[in-house]
Amino acid sequence: LAKTTQPISMDSYEGQEVNITCSHNNIATNDYITWYQQFPSQGPRFIIQGYKTKVTNEVASLFIPADRKSSTLSLPRVSLSDTAVYYCLVGAFSSGSARQLTFGSGTQLTVLP
Amino acid sequence: GAVVSQHPSRVICKSGTSVKIECRSLDFQATTMFWYRQFPKQSLMLMATSNEGSKATYEQGVEKDKFLINHASLTLSTLTVTSAHPEDSSFYICSARGQEVTDTQYFGPGTRLTVL
Repeated sequence: LAKTTQPISMDSYEGQEVNITCSHNNIATNDYITWYQQFPSQGPRFIIQGYKTKVTNEVASLFIPADRKSSTLSLPRVSLSDTAVYYCLVGAFSSGSARQLTFGSGTQLTVLP
Repeated sequence: GAVVSQHPSRVICKSGTSVKIECRSLDFQATTMFWYRQFPKQSLMLMATSNEGSKATYEQGVEKDKFLINHASLTLSTLTVTSAHPEDSSFYICSARGQEVTDTQYFGPGTRLTVL
């Protein structure tokens, strides 16, 4: 299992860029890295997914170094509504088992005014 | 695209009764669906994986006779909590993955189960 480690919590102020790093030292060759956002009493929402280098979409960027043992989710100019728990998920369906898709503890991001 | 719905959003039942939760993929065919359970202030715990037309695969420690999963079609999976007890009270979330999306699972909004 590609166990993930994230900071338990982070605080930021509105308008700042927030970077959340996830460690996954035993990531497998065919594993993807996916980040989700979860608000209380809601299902996780897909943010971004990547395999290597950098991926950017309309809400975030994902930076993955060459060794792929970590990844960093970057949220530009956060607002109060970005206060949520962010999960890093590492695994691959192609390996034939969802057991590799284990959620870590997540990072509680609190955006302050 | 990639919308997953769950019904009901919340349910309250008496101890000993059974509760069925539906999970539907609305705009794609879900070859694989997953069921998770989440307790307050905790992360999601995978309960089982279901593939359309075959038996579900349960995670260690999850009683298959208590949590019945049926994935009868490419857009519907159901989780039935049989003989529910207060300790089964939790937030149940399903997710789905289809052939059209790559290594990504999309989650439903969750179902809050309270057993009295």
